[in-house]
Amino acid sequence: QSVLTQPPSASGTPGQRVTISCSGSSSNIGSNYVYWYQHLPGTAPKLLIYRNNQRPSGVPDRFSGSKSGTSASLAISGLRSEDEADYYCAVWDDSLSGWVFGGGTKLTVL
Amino acid sequence: QVQLVESGGGVVQPGRSLRLSCAASGFTFSSYGMHWVRQAPGKGLEWVALIWNDGSIKYYTDSVKGRFTISRDQSKNTLSLQMNSLRVEDTAMYYCARSVGGTAVPGTDWFDPWGQGTLVTVSS
Repeated sequence: QSVLTQPPSASGTPGQRVTISCSGSSSNIGSNYVYWYQHLPGTAPKLLIYRNNQRPSGVPDRFSGSKSGTSASLAISGLRSEDEADYYCAVWDDSLSGWVFGGGTKLTVL
Repeated sequence: QVQLVESGGGVVQPGRSLRLSCAASGFTFSSYGMHWVRQAPGKGLEWVALIWNDGSIKYYTDSVKGRFTISRDQSKNTLSLQMNSLRVEDTAMYYCARSVGGTAVPGTDWFDPWGQGTLVTVSS
């Protein structure tokens, strides 16, 4: 059971907008930055969003992050087939003195 | 370009030891903290350990405390993970990742880039 809760799956058709939620607590999301990673099986995970809503260079502006209280969201607009992957939120947890990842959300592009 | 290459994975019996390595290139290794993250078959990502850029501070997830040791060799630009008393539940792909963010406050950094991983299988 992950400290951070994500829906196990999400889906959308090309061009649609989908959001993936990440729910935590006051010791993690409530007091620290949220990060999002994209992982295609067999490849190295890739940073998508850092410090809640910042996009690294090279990440399309179709990807955006937000945070409110003890929850965060990743939004993907203009969905494309290549977005089909697993998505993870990650946060530092003050109580655990360590990083925690959400359980991951498998995004399917229909 | 920045590159991380893991090695040392393999099949090992429960209770035995294994040492993983991560060769770093394309950046000033001694300026960055480093992480180990793992993914068990069919499961999600799990953070394992963090070492500061100078090796002075280390953090571990509870399940590996006392069994795993993270270390670094600045002269060889290499990150290591010594894994002792291995358990079946340690079976996973192990990734190393660079810590980016530049502050001394945990949680203000991020993992970028990641290596391709090395597979550890603990089985009798």
